[in-house]
Parts: sequence; C-alpha cells; structure tokens
Amino acid sequence: EAQVTQNPRYLITVTGKKLTVTCSQNMNHEYMSWYRQDPGLGLRQIYYSMNVEVTDKGDVPEGYKVSRKEKRNFPLILESPSPNQTSLYFCASSLFGQGDYTFGSGTRLTVV
Amino acid sequence: QKEVEQNSGPLSVPEGAIASLNCTYSDRGSQSFFWYRQYSGKSPELIMFIYSNGDKEDGRFTAQLNKASQYVSLLIRDSQPSDSATYLCAVKPGGYNKLIFGAGTRLAVHP
Repeated sequence: EAQVTQNPRYLITVTGKKLTVTCSQNMNHEYMSWYRQDPGLGLRQIYYSMNVEVTDKGDVPEGYKVSRKEKRNFPLILESPSPNQTSLYFCASSLFGQGDYTFGSGTRLTVV
Repeated sequence: QKEVEQNSGPLSVPEGAIASLNCTYSDRGSQSFFWYRQYSGKSPELIMFIYSNGDKEDGRFTAQLNKASQYVSLLIRDSQPSDSATYLCAVKPGGYNKLIFGAGTRLAVHP
C-alpha cells in the first residue's frame, strides 16, 4: 500500500529534550515536506526537500532541523523543544512537488 | 506574505443540497489550486485540483477557478453526511515549491 508513515502518533515531552519525528514514504517520491497545523492558522510549511541532500526552509523553520539522507526518509528534529512547538505535525510527499501531496497520519506533539 | 483565505464556517447544509465552499488568494502569480478534505482527527486527502480558469468536474465535486478575481470554489452536489469534514483550499504560488493552505471551512451535512 502506497503510504507516508509517521512515528510517533502522539508524543509528550519536556522543554529542552531533543526529539525526532520520523517520516518514511514508499512511493519513490522526490519531494517531501513537513507542515504544522494549529487551530485558526491552518497548515504551515516548516521545511521541504526536493531530493536527497536537498532541503530548504519553509515559512516557519525556526527551532526545527531536517535531513534527507535517503529518498524515502525525511525526519524532523527538534533540538530543544519549547511549548510554542506544541502542535499537530504532518509529513507529506509528492512525486515532483506539484501540490498533489500524500500526507502521513500526523504526530500530535505536546511540549510541557 | 502570500495568503489564502477561507470562511471558517461551519457551513451547514441539508442532505441532498449543494454545498458551496469558497477561497480567495493573494498571489496573482499562482498557477495551481487544490482542495483537500480533512476528517476530524485525520490527515488531509486530495480531492480536486485545477489549473485553468473555468470549471472542472469529478463526480459530485466541481472546482471553479477565476484567476482575474483570485477566487477558487468547490461545489459538492447531492451532499451526504459522509461529506461532513473540513475542506482546505491550497494554492501553489508561482516559483515556489510549496503549497499555501487556507485555515479550512468546516462543512456539516445534516440528514
């Protein structure tokens, strides 16, 4: 089954404790992206990647890091999480980034 | 800041009626326009895309685009309770590798 797999689904952590949210796709898509979704603000792009070793900032990159060492994987790293990063996070992929995204199931992160 | 605006709703329609969802965008250079559906607690899923001015139909769904007015809409004919969800309008600005999403319109179809 073609899919984008995110883990974990739920995560509660404390301020400053580094964490990684994993994302993997099995569709051989070139493009992958991370979004956060907050009430009233919609989905906002954090980072995206056009291909292996090619990443770039989205609209809200502060406090996040990403890497794309393999085509299928695009982890999101929070080196020192803060409460304002409490949000619902989605990973998405697309063959060439034209907007026809397949989304992962989401990760609900709470930073206390 | 490129923006996509939607009425948050809820838009309440009776079963069998036509639901009309609207979206405006600020970037005149935008080329591609998308509608995603998001059920409560789930991830967004793509239901329609449109690139050219006019209408595009897919089953009960019709997307309408008017680039001069910077306006996109989604019509859902014969609305069903299973259509109750939040509908996200998304726009791909010209020259950018991303989608700008609106905050979504919540649709409630009541029997």
